[in-house]
Order: sequence, then structure tokens, then C-alpha cells
Amino acid sequence: QSVLTQPPSVSGAPGQRVTISCTGSSSNIGAGFDVHWYQQLPGSAPKLLIFADSNRPSGVPDRFSGSKSGTSASLAITGLQADDEATYYCQSYDSSLGEMFGGGTKLTVL
Amino acid sequence: QVQLQESGPGLMKASETLSLTCSVSGASIGTSDWSWIRQSAGKGLEWLGRIYTRVNTDYNPSLKGRLTMSVDTSKNQVFLKLNSVTAADTAVYYCARDHGLCVNSVCYDVFDIWGQGTTVTVSS
Repeated sequence: QSVLTQPPSVSGAPGQRVTISCTGSSSNIGAGFDVHWYQQLPGSAPKLLIFADSNRPSGVPDRFSGSKSGTSASLAITGLQADDEATYYCQSYDSSLGEMFGGGTKLTVL
Repeated sequence: QVQLQESGPGLMKASETLSLTCSVSGASIGTSDWSWIRQSAGKGLEWLGRIYTRVNTDYNPSLKGRLTMSVDTSKNQVFLKLNSVTAADTAVYYCARDHGLCVNSVCYDVFDIWGQGTTVTVSS
């Protein structure tokens, strides 16, 4: 069981907007540590999608956005596309446990 | 273009020591920190540890002293050794560059480049 809690799955139709939550605690997200998001396509290594809560690395479309409030963070994907189908992981630092990942959320595009 | 390539034994037996190598091209390993991350089948990602400034290390407390990371700057490689493996150590092992991405003069450490991973299976 991950210290950072994500819903196991979310789904949406093409063109829709979906959000993925990442809930932590006062020893990680709530302590002000940055949250990063990774996208893992089937059979591939994870790829950095969002860093420091809300910043996109070069090359990531602005359909992807991140936010953070209190002990939680969220990833939003707008204009859903078929090739967005992947598993998404949040990552932060925990003052007791070190670097932590969420359990992952599998996005299905209907 | 920075690329990472992991290599390892593939199959091993319980109680043995796992040794993995991450070969880095396109950048000197001395310019960044490096982490190992693993993923068990059908499960999420687990950070194992990081090596920074070539000799300093941070390890996941859950590995209870079984893990050692090191580098060889002449070969531009990063190494992982995990003692006394069990079936629970069966996973895909990734090395990742632990790098600062900067926004408005503030830099954030992220796993910005990953290798393709190497599968390790531990049999009892």
C-alpha cells in the first residue's frame, strides 16, 4: 500500500477531461515537498510529464496540467486522446521514507 | 541525447547477490545524480536509492542495508548490488537520471530520463 494514494483507474471518452488525484500526508505533500507526475505507456519506461506540481517539461502538450493543495495533488488531462491511454504515477518525497511513488492510475480512453 | 541502458543477470536464485549495471551515454555521470527504481509485475514503482556527487548515497529504508550503489566514472556506469535476494525482489529494474529542471531560477530534482529497464527474476 503506497503512502501516496491514487485511484486505481479512471476513464473518459475522447475529447473529455479527466483528473487523477494523489493524496498524501503531512510528512510528504503536506510538508511542501514537490509533486511530479509520470506517464507509463504499456511496455515502456515511465516518462516525466509534470514536475514541481504544475510545470511541463519541454515537449509535453499543454493538455496536461498539474496542481497541488494541502496534502493532495491532481493531474488533469483535457482533450483526451487514444494515445493518452497509460498508467500515471505521482511522486513526491517523504520525510521518513524518502522518494515515494503513488500506486498508479490506469487511464482508459473509451 | 542522454541514454541509459541497464544490464543484469536476468534469472537468479534466492540468497544470491544481484548486480546491475547502468551504462550512460550522451552525458558524464559526474554531472548528475542517479537513482535505481524497480517495478514488480502488475505493481507500482519503488524507489531503491540514489547516488550523488559520485560517492554519496541515499537508500530506501525498506531495503534494510541490503543495497549498495556505486559508479565508475571512467566507464560512465552506475552500479547496483542487492544482497540476499528473495522472490520479492523479482521486478523490472530501471536506472534514472536524477536531474535538476529549473523554472524561474529555481531547480527541482526529478527523474527526467529513464532506461528501458532490465527484468530480474529470482527463483527459490
